[in-house]
Order: sequence, then structure tokens, then C-alpha cells
Amino acid sequence: KQEVTQIPAALSVPEGENLVLNCSFTDSAIYNLQWFRQDPGKGLTSLLLIQSSQREQTSGRLNASLDKSSGRSTLYIAASQPGDSATYLCAVVGSWEKLTFGTGTRLTIIP
Amino acid sequence: ETGVTQSPTHLIKTRGQQVTLRCSSQSGHNTVSWYQQALGQGPQFIFQYYREEENGRGNFPPRFSGLQFPNYSSELNVNALELDDSALYLCASSSADGLADSYEQYFGPGTRLTVT
Repeated sequence: KQEVTQIPAALSVPEGENLVLNCSFTDSAIYNLQWFRQDPGKGLTSLLLIQSSQREQTSGRLNASLDKSSGRSTLYIAASQPGDSATYLCAVVGSWEKLTFGTGTRLTIIP
Repeated sequence: ETGVTQSPTHLIKTRGQQVTLRCSSQSGHNTVSWYQQALGQGPQFIFQYYREEENGRGNFPPRFSGLQFPNYSSELNVNALELDDSALYLCASSSADGLADSYEQYFGPGTRLTVT
């Protein structure tokens, strides 16, 4: 059974700093990994998708990496802004496009 | 291009009642998945529909059932509601062909269900 862990559960950093969020998964037989952002009480916004054959993806200030063999992914956020405050979820795709999610990292950017 | 929409936004039901939640997929998408997200947790996969047939199911009892219509909109039905069913219910759509190939999934805003 696939299990996804995200550490830390919560993170507070001053505005302008670069930061890294971590995601680990137990079964390396995945098709892709997606990072999402969730604002309080809202749905999920897809940030980045990394195919299993890829090592990383970039979008603006965001960069996500994937190491399937070690079961790890990181989301790097450059030059953090208060608007980046949200919960960040990673999810891996196994069979039937089923997403298995971690419990998320709640990020607070301090102005 | 219209994104994924869900209705209603919020719903309050009494234990033992039945509820129907609705989802309209993003234009061009033929696969829809439903997830349950309890407070402070990550979403949990309920089931997936592809071309009107259930295509995979998570660890949820049979009182959770669904439908997908020819226009690819979808319903989630929950019978005999329990207090633990209180959660945010999320719908996601994708343009996959129903196989295990990876396609990006797009989520709706969710329906907040409260069972009292």
C-alpha cells in the first residue's frame, strides 16, 4: 500500500527566503507525482506535474524534483511572498490514475 | 475553457439521511474521480469513472456510490450518512483514456458536507 509523507507539517519563514518542502513515498512504482496548493476551505490548485521519466519541472518561482528510486520529491519555492501562504500537498499516481496524497505542509510566509 | 465545477458549495445533513453531490468536468475531459478530505488530512480516493463506468475504487463502503453521465458530469451519492462523513468532497477530472497513463488532474472547489 502506497504511503506518502510530507515533512514538516508546518513551516513559517520570513518573506523573501527560499524554501524547500519535502515529500516521500513508499512504493516507487508510480506514473507521476503532482504538487498542489490548497487555500483554507478551498479546492486544490495543481502547481506542477512530474512524469515518472522526468527528474524535475519548473514553473516560475517553483521547481519540483523527483527521485523515484529513493521515493522522494522536493518542491523548491524561490523568493517567497506572503501570497505563497497555503497548504502544499504532494500526490503520487499509481494505477487507475488514483492519487495518493500526503497530509500536506502548512506554509506561512511572514511579511 | 470552463474549469471543474461542483454543487452545492455547502450542505448540512442529519445522520441517516442521503446526499447527492454534483460535479461538472472540465471541457474535453472524460474521466472523473472523487475524493474525501477530512479536516487536517490529505484527500482520500473514493472512486473514479471513465466513460460512465466505475474504473477503480478506494477503501469506502458501498453506501458511497456514483454516476457519470454522457456529458461526463458526475454525481456522488452517500446513503445512511454518518457523523464521520463530514468532510470536503472534491471532484477531479482529466482527459486520460481510462488506463494507468498519467494525465494531470484538475480539481473543483469542493463541497463541504456537515453531518449532524
